[in-house]
Amino acid sequence: QKEVEQDPGPLSVPEGAIVSLNCTYSNSAFQYFMWYRQYSRKGPELLMYTYSSGNKEDGRFTAQVDKSSKYISLFIRDSQPSDSATYLCAMKAEAGGTSYGKLTFGQGTILTVHP
Amino acid sequence: GAVVSQHPSWVICKSGTSVKIECRSLDFQATTMFWYRQFPKQSLMLMATSNEGSKATYEQGVEKDKFLINHASLTLSTLTVTSAHPEDSSFYICSASPGVRRTEAFFGQGTRLTVV
Repeated sequence: QKEVEQDPGPLSVPEGAIVSLNCTYSNSAFQYFMWYRQYSRKGPELLMYTYSSGNKEDGRFTAQVDKSSKYISLFIRDSQPSDSATYLCAMKAEAGGTSYGKLTFGQGTILTVHP
Repeated sequence: GAVVSQHPSWVICKSGTSVKIECRSLDFQATTMFWYRQFPKQSLMLMATSNEGSKATYEQGVEKDKFLINHASLTLSTLTVTSAHPEDSSFYICSASPGVRRTEAFFGQGTRLTVV
């Protein structure tokens, strides 16, 4: 079993739809949770960063973390064609020491928003 | 967010030659940087952790003699693919964290290596 599971999709939605992306994980030590957006042939771009359980909102994006269920979500409201990309969840156990930036990734979900 | 710059964005080289990829943190210092490899339609695979002033730490299965990492300063890490072969063709990405109060990771633009 992989440490982080993410449905690879592909997911296709019409413009304006609400998109829900999810990841589950097995390592209870994970405390920091991130969502990245990656366009084709580009490096991942950080969208949301959350510590521990709870919700975080930034514009059209909302990240939710439920540590009791080991489940995280990213919601995209009023989706746009420019949101078409691969979305990767990532997480790590601790902030300090040499583990900075050492992330465990999900497989990525390919999202297409069509006009 | 913090900026990580990676160069070149793409490179084509002949089999048997070496290729150097640079990763720079532009507006922060990074004692630790990370190198990933990504195959088409797959997630990122961590190759190694680059530590400023010391040897890199390689993940299991990654050949340290083929993928040479040098972290010469707090803002620069380099990955050299030595004696490249077609199977080394891939997308290589570096990341770094500002650290201390900011622990999120920022990624470079990636380098697409094609070995012919």
